[in-house]
Amino acid sequence: QSALTQPASVSESPGQSITISCTGTSSDIGGYNYVSWYQHHPDKAPKLMIYDVNIRPSGVSNRFSGSKSGNTASLTISGLQADDEADYFCSSSTSKTTVIFGGGTRLTV
Amino acid sequence: EVQLLDSGGGLVQPGGSLRLSCAASGFTFSSYAMGWVRQAPGKGLEWVSTIDSSGSRMYYGDSVKGRFTISRDNSKNTLYLQMNSLRAEDTAVYYCVKDTRQKLPQYFDYWGQGTLVTVSS
Repeated sequence: QSALTQPASVSESPGQSITISCTGTSSDIGGYNYVSWYQHHPDKAPKLMIYDVNIRPSGVSNRFSGSKSGNTASLTISGLQADDEADYFCSSSTSKTTVIFGGGTRLTV
Repeated sequence: EVQLLDSGGGLVQPGGSLRLSCAASGFTFSSYAMGWVRQAPGKGLEWVSTIDSSGSRMYYGDSVKGRFTISRDNSKNTLYLQMNSLRAEDTAVYYCVKDTRQKLPQYFDYWGQGTLVTVSS
């Protein structure tokens, strides 16, 4: 199964907002509300930022929000800060009882 | 505090075997599914395998099915990944992950620091 499709890189200025897209198929994103997003800083462990499409785990800033339409999920980060600069990966459960990740998006602030 | 200490990585020749371990602490290990996620150099994340909380159901990615075996010892709070018939494309940092749920692979709220596996002659 191919990875979910994300833009390789995005950039925006501090204080602005940005949206990262993640496109799959009806066998993953489109078929289930089990989409999540992870933030990955170099040399650190990835961090769960969003699950169940739009739920933030405890401790995650409300500047991070998620949504889904059809086969595409999105992560929006508002009020961008320097520390938001990282790689972001989307993920979805699939019809084969597996998990699939996106290729990752490098965010430059 | 939740801690996942993964270990066992190293250099192995193609066709060889390696066993990764992950010692967990800070939560009720037997209540959660556990798994492994890897990241090849310069590549994205790839889910490898998950085992349910009781150890009775295992799930694998297509690229490792038939070669890797995941297991757990709930009495020792330890997760394992036995990797056989290793290939160059298995070269990656392997992360031990805790799932938020009991049964199916879904969301990973805690990650180990990662252990590097290099498959090369």
